Amino acid sequence: DVKVTQSSRYLVKRTGEKVFLECVQDMDHENMFWYRQDPGLGLRLIYFSYDVKMKEKGDIPEGYSVSREKKERFSLILESASTNQTSMYLCASRSREAQPQHFGDGTRLSIL
Amino acid sequence: AQSVTQPDIHITVSEGASLELRCNYSYGATPYLFWYVQSPGQGLQLLLKYFSGDTLVQGIKGFEAEFKRSQSSFNLRKPSVHWSDAAEYFCAVGARNAGNMLTFGGGTRLMVKP
Repeated sequence: DVKVTQSSRYLVKRTGEKVFLECVQDMDHENMFWYRQDPGLGLRLIYFSYDVKMKEKGDIPEGYSVSREKKERFSLILESASTNQTSMYLCASRSREAQPQHFGDGTRLSIL
Repeated sequence: AQSVTQPDIHITVSEGASLELRCNYSYGATPYLFWYVQSPGQGLQLLLKYFSGDTLVQGIKGFEAEFKRSQSSFNLRKPSVHWSDAAEYFCAVGARNAGNMLTFGGGTRLMVKP
């Protein structure tokens, strides 16, 4: 069974801080994704990565960056956190195109 | 670009009753289609997927969905709902090109009355 692990379930940070959200998958998947989830808006794609050191912007990349130095790990970085980045963040991975994505349990991030 | 609409934000059904959750999509060709379920405090779990072939798809937990090309719909059904089905349900559409990125609907929150 695919396991996608997000390092924190809950996180509280202050505005202006640099925030790191970590995600690890254990199935040697090529593709990894970061979404944010807000009520009524569903999931919106922030960034994705096809392979190590490769990244592509999603629909809402502003204020975020990512890092993928190893195949199993995909990090989301909030360069200078703002209150409008308070949200649930979900990481996902998949083996290749046209295969289902597998999700972690999410990190609920609050920016005060 | 594709889009997904789940018209019902909240649905309440009685335990044992049948369920249908609606999903309509906009896409220029036949997309990949998915239904996911999210229990409180959890990530998303795949219920079922449609890629091609038989338009009636069986999934886990007794769910099924039917792809109707003429209506651009992929509605999720279950003949008899259990209290443990209370959760939020998301329909997602994937393009058959451009990296097969998923677009999610806004979700439908299902409540089950005893």
